[in-house]
Amino acid sequence: QMQLVESGGGVVQPGRSLRLSCAASGFAFNNFGMHWARQAPGKGLEWLAVVWHDGSNKYYADSVRGRFTISRDNSKNTVFLQMNTLRGDDTATYYCAKGGDPDGSFGMDVWGQGTAVSVSS
Amino acid sequence: EIVMTQSPDTLYMSPGERATLSCRASQSIGGKLAWYQQRPGQSPRLLIYDAFRRATGIPARFSGSGSGTEFTLTISSLQSEDFAVYYCQHFDDWPPWAFGQGTKLEIK
Repeated sequence: QMQLVESGGGVVQPGRSLRLSCAASGFAFNNFGMHWARQAPGKGLEWLAVVWHDGSNKYYADSVRGRFTISRDNSKNTVFLQMNTLRGDDTATYYCAKGGDPDGSFGMDVWGQGTAVSVSS
Repeated sequence: EIVMTQSPDTLYMSPGERATLSCRASQSIGGKLAWYQQRPGQSPRLLIYDAFRRATGIPARFSGSGSGTEFTLTISSLQSEDFAVYYCQHFDDWPPWAFGQGTKLEIK
């Protein structure tokens, strides 16, 4: 079955960097856009970024544009989120999700279990 | 940038009742809307996309309607497992594709 498994979370000091990975299986990874979203403790969902199926286009939420970079390696069925200059308000559970079509629209139809990131000194 | 607003923030209902959740977009998004369910401790799950199409495996008691700026998720007869938080999200032409703030469906 379709599955997404995130990794790379942890505790990091403010101003430092972290790279999240999301390994996909059970579907034709290179046919679908991929997303990252996050959820701060006790809060709602926040969409962060999408990368098109072939990596040709990437879009970001205003809150992370310029600090976070989404990328993908279709040869390894993996999507990444490079997070730089981390702040306390980046503390959250980070989810990757599969889009419903090559540019990631039509809903986020498969979600990972999430990986927790805590930014603290 | 399009802002999504859900109402109410919390909805108190009893099992077997019909629940109606609302989502409003700050500008027209056509029918490019999705609904998600998130149970405590779980990842979100896609329920509805394109405003009214049920995702794979979603029970028929869940239905979506609306277009433009006003959208509704209806749960026809609430089951115990339906008490959760529900989010809408738009997929208008270009990202960012924002979520609404969520509606918590609680047992009365």
